[in-house]
Amino acid sequence: AQSVTQLGSHVSVSEGALVLLRCNYSSSVPPYLFWYVQYPNQGLQLLLKYTSAATLVKGINGFEAEFKKSETSFHLTKPSAHMSDATEYFCAVSVGGSNYKLTFGKGTLLTVNP
Amino acid sequence: GAGVSQTPSNKVTEKGKYVELRCDPISGHTALYWYRQSLGQGPEFLIYFQGTGAADDSGLPNDRFFAVRPEGSVSTLKIQRTERGDSAVYLCAVDNPNTEAFFGQGTRLTVV
Repeated sequence: AQSVTQLGSHVSVSEGALVLLRCNYSSSVPPYLFWYVQYPNQGLQLLLKYTSAATLVKGINGFEAEFKKSETSFHLTKPSAHMSDATEYFCAVSVGGSNYKLTFGKGTLLTVNP
Repeated sequence: GAGVSQTPSNKVTEKGKYVELRCDPISGHTALYWYRQSLGQGPEFLIYFQGTGAADDSGLPNDRFFAVRPEGSVSTLKIQRTERGDSAVYLCAVDNPNTEAFFGQGTRLTVV
């Protein structure tokens, strides 16, 4: 079975600073990896996904993530935080197909200070 | 999400009652998923439909939970004899092969 650990339930950064949200996964087979964002009272929105192609994945809104097999990590980064980035982020893993049976982490709440 | 409408958006029910939660894909989608998100947690997989059939229901917590998708479009998640522990946001997602999954806004179920 696969699992996801998001290190840090709450991350706080200053506006304009680097955003780093950590995600480690466990999987017995090559995984698909995802980052989702969830704004209050809205559905989950896909930021980016890794599906065994390039290890550095670029997503929407300036976010990117790097798949590191040796570290079993898929950390999310953004060079410069914006106030609108403040919300909840979820890392997820799937081994059954591109969207099938996602296993999510517990989430990381990002706050951005002016 | 643009691809999915979930109703009701909020549902408060008494312990022991029966509830139905509806997921209505706005356009044709092959695959449909139900997830449950408890407070402070990430979503947890419940069931996956491919067309009309439940291809994987391994995430349903017990036999009080049941879901149908009779015509391969709208799906209904049914919970019998609700318990306070069933309180959560129930999310529906849909996709077609090789496209991203669209999540609905969810139904917030509160069992009192």
